[in-house]
Amino acid sequence: ELKVEQNPLFLSMQEGKNYTIYCNYSTTSDRLYWYRQDPGKSLESLFVLLSNGAVKQEGRLMASLDTKARLSTLHITAAVHDLSATYFCAVAPRFGNEKLTFGTGTRLTIIP
Amino acid sequence: DAGVTQSPTHLIKTRGQQVTLRCSPKSGHDTVSWYQQALGQGPQFIFQYYEEEERQRGNFPDRFSGHQFPNYSSELNVNALLLGDSALYLCASRVLGRDDEKLFFGSGTQLSVL
Repeated sequence: ELKVEQNPLFLSMQEGKNYTIYCNYSTTSDRLYWYRQDPGKSLESLFVLLSNGAVKQEGRLMASLDTKARLSTLHITAAVHDLSATYFCAVAPRFGNEKLTFGTGTRLTIIP
Repeated sequence: DAGVTQSPTHLIKTRGQQVTLRCSPKSGHDTVSWYQQALGQGPQFIFQYYEEEERQRGNFPDRFSGHQFPNYSSELNVNALLLGDSALYLCASRVLGRDDEKLFFGSGTQLSVL
């Protein structure tokens, strides 16, 4: 059974600082997603990572994937308050398999 | 483009009742998946529909059933509701086989079982 772990679960950081959220998964995967969720809202898709070494960046967020280590990271650069949200990674075991297994989420709070 | 739309947005039921939730996928999408998200947790996969058939199923009891219509819209039915079924139910859609594309989620239906 595929297991996905994120850490930290809670993260409070000051504006302007950098930090990284980690996502570990237990079995081989072809696809890894990162999502953002604001309180009471749905999931907003941030990145899709498909191959080893994949790196994608948008604004202050950058995601990477190491399939050999079964690890993805979401790096936040010079954090701003608007980035406060819960971030989830989700893993699909192989192409064509639609069942995403989500991590527990990282609740990020940016302090002015 | 309306994106993925779900209805209703909120629903209150009592134990033992039955509920039907509805989802219209994003335009051009043919695959619909349903997820259950309990408070403070990540979403859990319920099942996925493609070409009007259930293609994959997560670890949910038979009380959870679904349907997909020819226009790709979908329904999630839950029978004999339990208190533990209270959650946000999310519908997601994409085009089957386009693995490099994002999976789009609807805004969800918040179900409360009293």
